Amino acid sequence: DTGVSQNPRHKITKRGQNVTFRCDPISEHNRLYWYRQTLGQGPEFLTYFQNEAQLEKSRLLSDRFSAERPKGSFSTLEIQRTEQGDSAMYLCASSLPSGEQTRPNTGELFFGEGSRLTVL
Amino acid sequence: EDQVTQSPEALRLQEGESSSLNCSYTVSGLRGLFWYRQDPGKGPEFLFTLYSAGEEKEKERLKATLTKKESFLHITAPKPEDSATYLCAVRSNDYKLSFGAGTTVTVRA
Repeated sequence: DTGVSQNPRHKITKRGQNVTFRCDPISEHNRLYWYRQTLGQGPEFLTYFQNEAQLEKSRLLSDRFSAERPKGSFSTLEIQRTEQGDSAMYLCASSLPSGEQTRPNTGELFFGEGSRLTVL
Repeated sequence: EDQVTQSPEALRLQEGESSSLNCSYTVSGLRGLFWYRQDPGKGPEFLFTLYSAGEEKEKERLKATLTKKESFLHITAPKPEDSATYLCAVRSNDYKLSFGAGTTVTVRA
């Protein structure tokens, strides 16, 4: 499978615990994104990497959230001291730079299946 | 800040009953309007990108159109397998997409 891969798919944790999600993007994509989606809402942007550099962080990303992309390959999203309000689907996406798109429909983000977090 | 509003929130159709979904947007310089399909418990799946007013894209029973203020996703003669949430998103810079809340379409046989 050459799509975006996310692990774990489901995580149930108790309030106050730390959790970490992993995203493996499509291999030739140098751009990587994290989004959060709650029930009945569209995905909300959290952060963006170009290669290993984190270029934008949403104000939604509190100090308890940290994302890394060592060596510009896979990425991790860690949530410390989880709260019930953190319960959501965490989506990872990747893309090529817009100037390198070759398909007729260009500029799109390719999403993984998501990691669903439930905080009890 | 980019804003995307989708309507209706939910749409129930009989198989074969054509309809349209609306996406209204406010953006400082549109650099692409995107439509995605999302099935329950799955990540969004890309459908179309539109770049300029008047542009149209088609895929099977779906057709997307774009004006300067809104986009429409037309579903012609839908089938039950077209049931999903359809998400609209806009890009105003080089990388980030801003999404609407989606329209959940249910097609009954």
